[in-house]
Amino acid sequence: EPEVTQTPSHQVTQMGQEVILRCVPISNHLYFYWYRQILGQKVEFLVSFYNNEISEKSEIFDDQFSVERPDGSNFTLKIRSTKLEDSAMYFCASSHRGGLNQPQHFGDGTRLSIL
Amino acid sequence: RKEVEQDPGPFNVPEGATVAFNCTYSNSASQSFFWYRQDCRKEPKLLMSVYSSGNEDGRFTAQLNRASQYISLLIRDSKLSDSATYLCVVNRGARGSARQLTFGSGTQLTVLP
Repeated sequence: EPEVTQTPSHQVTQMGQEVILRCVPISNHLYFYWYRQILGQKVEFLVSFYNNEISEKSEIFDDQFSVERPDGSNFTLKIRSTKLEDSAMYFCASSHRGGLNQPQHFGDGTRLSIL
Repeated sequence: RKEVEQDPGPFNVPEGATVAFNCTYSNSASQSFFWYRQDCRKEPKLLMSVYSSGNEDGRFTAQLNRASQYISLLIRDSKLSDSATYLCVVNRGARGSARQLTFGSGTQLTVLP
């Protein structure tokens, strides 16, 4: 079964540093998403991406965050100047089409630890 | 009121038992409904979509009541491998946020031998 893959599995970074999280969505999927889950809390939406632009973003996704699809396969989340509160599990997801009933399939996540 | 509300549990049931989880959502504009499961410190995995007419997938049955804004999941003949956190997930529904999934905090299930 095709999967969403994410790298690295764990990233440790000093506060204030930039970090890039990488994702390879399922190959025939057109919509891409980032979510995060702070330890012990629920999964929260960050951003959705379609046709090389952001289609929706949440209040969490401020100017410190950016997303990019640099080539035909990768989808990245960049945090410019990390804060302690950015420590969380970051999940990438993708869906085949944009129809509202299309389920989103999640990668196994990157654990981001900010020191 | 929370956007998606679930009983956190934990539900501890013996193997073979039937267990039901409930969920309520606050946004009447929501149009897509799902149950995901999440094992400890892992990614959410789609269990099933939930349709207005109700739907079944093997031992799992999901129901949706739009009038009451209520979703349920029934697990029959529970297995040890069903132990996980079950997440009720709803799209936000509003224009410009239709694909944002809103997650409940999850209901923890432990199936005991």
